[in-house]
Amino acid sequence: EVQLVESGGGLVQPGGSLRLSCAVSGFTSSDHYMDWVRQAPGQPLEWVGRSRDKASGYTTEYAASVKGRFTISRDDSKNSLLLQMNSLKTEDTAVYYCSRVHGSRMPDYWGQGTLVTVSS
Amino acid sequence: DIQLTQSPSFLSASVGDRVTITCRTSQGISGYLVWYQQKPGKAPKLLIYTASTLQSGVPSRFSGSGSGTEFTLTISSLQPEDFATYFCQQLNNYPLTFGGGTKVEIK
Repeated sequence: EVQLVESGGGLVQPGGSLRLSCAVSGFTSSDHYMDWVRQAPGQPLEWVGRSRDKASGYTTEYAASVKGRFTISRDDSKNSLLLQMNSLKTEDTAVYYCSRVHGSRMPDYWGQGTLVTVSS
Repeated sequence: DIQLTQSPSFLSASVGDRVTITCRTSQGISGYLVWYQQKPGKAPKLLIYTASTLQSGVPSRFSGSGSGTEFTLTISSLQPEDFATYFCQQLNNYPLTFGGGTKVEIK
């Protein structure tokens, strides 16, 4: 059974850092593109970024709103996807979801999300 | 960036109604559009990919159509479990972008 479980969310002050993890099971994460998507309270979904698969060198893409502050990486030893978030702003407050992407065009499995709150 | 405009943003309907949601894109996306259903406090669930292909396990009352810059999601006969918010997303160009959502509520 395919499962994705995010962790690492919490309360952080503006300017602080946080690292989210997305542990997967039921498939090998290195074989798939993976996305991070977030959703601020009462707001639409917002794509954060993408890590391509191992065959594509784990290259990444980011939304303009997070580029230069967030970094997506992989930990193959733990079959997981990571999101390092630095210089956090209040507007980064959201539930963060990871998703598996099938064939680059089809985000078919999602985690349950982890809440990040940026507040003083 | 490609903008996605969903309409309506809110829809009130009854069980058994036929419902249509539209997603317009600011430029062509080669049909790389997906539709999700999201219930409160839950992750999005993939319904349709490449504009018209039904994801495995999704009831056949859901269908997608469209091309170019205009796409639709249709629910042929609304069921109680279909009351939720629906989002479209384009996967043709970076940054990937979502529509603003359509909330379907019980009339």
